Amino acid sequence: AQSVSQHNHHVILSEAASLELGCNYSYGGTVNLFWYVQYPGQHLQLLLKYFSGDPLVKGIKGFEAEFIKSKFSFNLRKPSVQWSDTAEYFCAVPGSTLGRLYFGRGTQLTVWP
Amino acid sequence: EAGVTQFPSHSVIEKGQTVTLRCDPISGHDNLYWYRRVMGKEIKFLLHFVKESKQDESGMPNNRFLAERTGGTYSTLKVQPAELEDSGVYFCASSQVGAGLSQYFGPGTRLTVL
Repeated sequence: AQSVSQHNHHVILSEAASLELGCNYSYGGTVNLFWYVQYPGQHLQLLLKYFSGDPLVKGIKGFEAEFIKSKFSFNLRKPSVQWSDTAEYFCAVPGSTLGRLYFGRGTQLTVWP
Repeated sequence: EAGVTQFPSHSVIEKGQTVTLRCDPISGHDNLYWYRRVMGKEIKFLLHFVKESKQDESGMPNNRFLAERTGGTYSTLKVQPAELEDSGVYFCASSQVGAGLSQYFGPGTRLTVL
């Protein structure tokens, strides 16, 4: 069965620090990968996605993620975080039947101004 | 374009009572999903509708949970009778047919069972 691991449960950074959130997946089929973000009081929204092609994916708000097949990883990065990046971040993979998503436990990012 | 909406935003009920959650997907989205997040745990899939048909309900915890999508528009998720472990945030998501992987989420309903 598919599974997703997010190793960092709570990350605290100062503004301008660099960010990397880990995501490892277990999946036997075609790999599609997602990062979702939930800002305080807001909907869960798609940050970026990988379906195929260039393993370095650019998302909204300066985020990027790199798919490394040999490591089963899809880590999220941002070179310089802002206070407004404070949110919870979720890595997800789809199930073998199109539709359902498997989520990691989420990483709460707190950025201090 | 209106997003996915859910009602109510919060619900507090006592054990043994019934609660019905509602989800209105984005207009034209035939795929509708329900997920649940219990505090401190991951977001877990409950079920998937394509129009009014249940495509996958393998994530439903037990028969106290009943989901419907009459007419293929909005969906309801009823919990009867509610138990303490049903507390959590219930999310709804929708997507277009053929774009099943790009799901748009609602704000969630926070359910507290006392």
